[in-house]
Amino acid sequence: AQSVTQLGSHVSVSEGALVLLRCNYSSSVPPYLFWYVQYPNQGLQLLLKYTSAATLVKGINGFEAEFKKSETSFHLTKPSAHMSDAAEYFCAVSNTGGFKTIFGAGTRLFVKA
Amino acid sequence: DAGVIQSPRHEVTEMGQEVTLRCKPISGHNSLFWYRQTMMRGLELLIYFNNNVPIDDSGMPEDRFSAKMPNASFSTLKIQPSEPRDSAVYFCASGPQDRDNEQFFGPGTRLTVL
Repeated sequence: AQSVTQLGSHVSVSEGALVLLRCNYSSSVPPYLFWYVQYPNQGLQLLLKYTSAATLVKGINGFEAEFKKSETSFHLTKPSAHMSDAAEYFCAVSNTGGFKTIFGAGTRLFVKA
Repeated sequence: DAGVIQSPRHEVTEMGQEVTLRCKPISGHNSLFWYRQTMMRGLELLIYFNNNVPIDDSGMPEDRFSAKMPNASFSTLKIQPSEPRDSAVYFCASGPQDRDNEQFFGPGTRLTVL
């Protein structure tokens, strides 16, 4: 069985500060890992994904995430927050043998001016 | 590419009425997913199809919910009869065969059952 835990339902940072959103996963097989972003009144959009290639994955809008197998983590970071980064972020896990994707509960990011 | 298309975008109905939500996936995608999002329960997978065949419907909450995919370009999610607790945003997503389970989401249908 697979699962995802996102630590912190809300994270608040100042504009220009580091963004760190935490995600831990559980999977009995090599996982695919994803971060999606949801802006108000919109569907989810893919930010980045890990599929067993490089452990440091770069995505859109300056975000990146590092796959750490020993820690079963896939934390999302961005060096400098922008007001437009305010949204809800979902970590998700899937596997190579199927299509089903398990989403975390989401972390809402607030960016203060 | 038009992306995943969902209709209607908003639906307000009364308890007991039948509701049908529609989805047109991205052309060429072979997987299709229906999700429900609420504040209390977050994002829940209801059912998913591969090559128009339902693969896993374990997330469908009750027999009142049903989903069909008669062809590669169209899917419906039906609730009959609807109840106030069905109020949520329903998302359809599709995914291509060769993109490592990446999913493309539609804009969602906001359902309110009075």
